[in-house]
Amino acid sequence: SQTIHQWPATLVQPVGSPLSLECTVEGTSNPNLYWYRQAAGRGLQLLFYSVGIGQISSEVPQNLSASRPQDRQFILSSKKLLLSDSGFYLCASTRNSYNEQFFGPGTRLTVL
Amino acid sequence: QKEVEQDPGPLSVPEGAIVSLNCTYSNSAFQYFMWYRQYSRKGPELLMYTYSSGNKEDGRFTAQVDKSSKYISLFIRDSQPSDSATYLCAMSARAGTALIFGKGTTLSVSS
Repeated sequence: SQTIHQWPATLVQPVGSPLSLECTVEGTSNPNLYWYRQAAGRGLQLLFYSVGIGQISSEVPQNLSASRPQDRQFILSSKKLLLSDSGFYLCASTRNSYNEQFFGPGTRLTVL
Repeated sequence: QKEVEQDPGPLSVPEGAIVSLNCTYSNSAFQYFMWYRQYSRKGPELLMYTYSSGNKEDGRFTAQVDKSSKYISLFIRDSQPSDSATYLCAMSARAGTALIFGKGTTLSVSS
């Protein structure tokens, strides 16, 4: 089965600072990878998904970006954080052509 | 109309009760359906996965899909305090594509 690692677990950053969140996957190869943001009362918002190295699709225009430098590594970045970027960020993975998504433990980001 | 609707609750039940959690959806192309359980400050955990219509049972959990009514349910029998969590439904039209999630129902089971 898949294991998804995310770090850091929690992060407090000032407005205007950069961001880098990392996600790595074990137990599968060539997965589809996803970044979600979960804000209180708003459910899971899909931010980015990737079907392979260097292939990123953005679902929501914003000041965030994603990269996939290796098959099982997915990175979420920002050059300048906004207050509205606060939330719980989740990385998820599926085996190619399957639907069951498995989630990592998440990163709780607070922007002050 | 939102693609997936889910009553946020909260839903409070005594230990041992049967719990029914539901989602409705508008896209008739959806054919893959999932239920996730999420404890506070944790990532969602996949509970049940069903394809197309019908029932699926796993221990105390039963997932039901009625595509004609665009309605899915998760039943929890003999509910336990450890079932207290937020339950999210999710669905998609094609394998390997992004899931559409409901906002989640918060369940509290008291002992």
